[in-house]
Amino acid sequence: DADVTQTPRNRITKTGKRIMLECSQTKGHDRMYWYRQDPGLGLRLIYYSFDVKDINKGEISDGYSVSRQAQAKFSLSLESAIPNQTALYFCATSDRDRGYTDTQYFGPGTRLTVL
Amino acid sequence: AQKVTQAQTEISVVEKEDVTLDCVYETRDTTYYLFWYKQPPSGELVFLIRRNSFDEQNEISGRYSWNFQKSTSSFNFTITASQVVDSAVYFCALSEVHGAGATNKLIFGTGTLLAVQP
Repeated sequence: DADVTQTPRNRITKTGKRIMLECSQTKGHDRMYWYRQDPGLGLRLIYYSFDVKDINKGEISDGYSVSRQAQAKFSLSLESAIPNQTALYFCATSDRDRGYTDTQYFGPGTRLTVL
Repeated sequence: AQKVTQAQTEISVVEKEDVTLDCVYETRDTTYYLFWYKQPPSGELVFLIRRNSFDEQNEISGRYSWNFQKSTSSFNFTITASQVVDSAVYFCALSEVHGAGATNKLIFGTGTLLAVQP
């Protein structure tokens, strides 16, 4: 079984709808992240969480919110979806390393289309 | 400001050719980490390597090798004897260090699409 899972894997929705993307991990990592990938732009950080009570905005948080329900679960919500939020969304996890940074491991991605 | 540049948008090679993917980064910090990830056509992101700024030794893993040069702010990735299964988008990423446990944000390049033709 995959260590990091995302549901749904594909979603088509309409403008104005609320949608939630879910991420679960069995790696036992404390840190979780949400990124979006757009063609030609690479990946950009939306939100990150270092533990259940620590949630931080990333580079492009406007229009998104998150919830860290448990150490293993991190959800991303689009309160009112708009077409330019059409993208591939990735969840990632990492564990505090002995050094000052740690390696992030990514889920399989959720392809979201907003019509 | 942090920035990662992958100037090669697409590269096409024939199987068994060697290919080098370029990565140039910008950072103000003296302590940082560099990463490479692979995104095959199935879409997932696969971690390949992490390198810290104090370790300039080149690394080899099978057909993969990485050349880190601080003098030119580059962290290039070479695939020797490429295979069709190497076809993917490859991302280079940078993570700065701002003290223990402070931030761990990855700044990604825009990726290089490698197509290996049989």
